[in-house]
Amino acid sequence: RKEVEQDPGPFNVPEGATVAFNCTYSNSASQSFFWYRQDCRKEPKLLMSVYSSGNEDGRFTAQLNRASQYISLLIRDSKLSDSATYLCVVNVEGGSYIPTFGRGTSLIVHP
Amino acid sequence: GAGVSQSPRYKVAKRGQDVALRCDPISGHVSLFWYQQALGQGPEFLTYFQNEAQLDKSGLPSDRFFAERPEGSVSTLKIQRTQQEDSAVYLCASSLPGLAGFYNEQFFGPGTRLTVL
Repeated sequence: RKEVEQDPGPFNVPEGATVAFNCTYSNSASQSFFWYRQDCRKEPKLLMSVYSSGNEDGRFTAQLNRASQYISLLIRDSKLSDSATYLCVVNVEGGSYIPTFGRGTSLIVHP
Repeated sequence: GAGVSQSPRYKVAKRGQDVALRCDPISGHVSLFWYQQALGQGPEFLTYFQNEAQLDKSGLPSDRFFAERPEGSVSTLKIQRTQQEDSAVYLCASSLPGLAGFYNEQFFGPGTRLTVL
């Protein structure tokens, strides 16, 4: 079982839709959490960190559920430009803290 | 300011050949990471440096893989006797150090796409 799991999708949604992704992690000692965005054949870029209290940045909301060991990303009012792969990252304790990526969830926003 | 740069951007190697991949991190970034990304997968951690010290190399898949950062800035990932399964995109990322157990935002380079024939 992978330490960080994501539904690869793709999620096909129309413009303006609200879409949510989850990411589960297996190591309860995980300390920090992030969402990165990766466009096709490009490098990952930080979308947002995920804080225990939840956080919002414009149309994007990230939440952490430690009890159930998952993080979520909600995108409201989807834009065509949101089409990308969304990677969750969990820093997993293994001697040192190792950034562990999920395989990513593909989002396609269509007109 | 300049971001993370990597060279070469593309490398085609014959099986058995040695390759060296270079990463120039953002100036002042103490932490440097190497990842391997296969098609359709997320980046897989290979190794981590803090300055010139290699603090974790648990992700290196075999002893054919070797990384160094001798002066605490530029890093090189070397793969000896390349195999077809080494074909992937190799990503380098740098960051400022965070508190113990936490990492700050990682800034990624564009990657080196390695194809082993």
